[in-house]
Amino acid sequence: DTAVSQTPKYLVTQMGNDKSIKCEQNLGHDTMYWYKQDSKKFLKIMFSYNNKELIINETVPNRFSPKSPDKAHLNLHINSLELGDSAVYFCASSQAGSGTPYEQYFGPGTRLTVT
Amino acid sequence: GENVEQHPSTLSVQEGDSAVIKCTYSDSASNYFPWYKQELGKGPQLIIDIRSNVGEKKDQRIAVTLNKTAKHFSLHITETQPEDSAVYFCAANVGNEKLTFGTGTRLTIIP
Repeated sequence: DTAVSQTPKYLVTQMGNDKSIKCEQNLGHDTMYWYKQDSKKFLKIMFSYNNKELIINETVPNRFSPKSPDKAHLNLHINSLELGDSAVYFCASSQAGSGTPYEQYFGPGTRLTVT
Repeated sequence: GENVEQHPSTLSVQEGDSAVIKCTYSDSASNYFPWYKQELGKGPQLIIDIRSNVGEKKDQRIAVTLNKTAKHFSLHITETQPEDSAVYFCAANVGNEKLTFGTGTRLTIIP
């Protein structure tokens, strides 16, 4: 059973297009995240949702819009794609708890290539 | 905000020897320090973590040490095997939801 899954695994598209990446977790976790990993492997958080509510919104262009239809799903929609958006995008989830951070579990990643 | 530095960026170790990766963090409020292993084409996998109420934690060939005073924590892998070759990331928490990651260490085990 896959704990955190993402689709698609690879996404190749042209500049200016709009695309979405989907994420689902079957761990029963309350919190989900989107991370971006650039070509130098640097991992940086983009968004965090807890029970469908936006918790963390780092300085990400507003072309990126996360949507959480329920606490098991967190999708990432990207408008007007640019060359610099090319990266690997990871979804993650954790069991949030008051007063203590919990382990984060990552999906397999979506490699986005903008041409 | 939190800043996590990780060294070395690359590390080559003879099979059977030990490997050590070191990280420092800046925010004294951080209290959770996970380590992730990322194999080629895969997502980061949590391999061990430590909380600030302990100084050391061990799981078979992997151990993590934490020095809160110096704001250092380290990953130790003993009796390295070829399957240990991967990129390793340290991280530190900012509050309960956010992790700040180090820049990664590419570990190569030489058979």
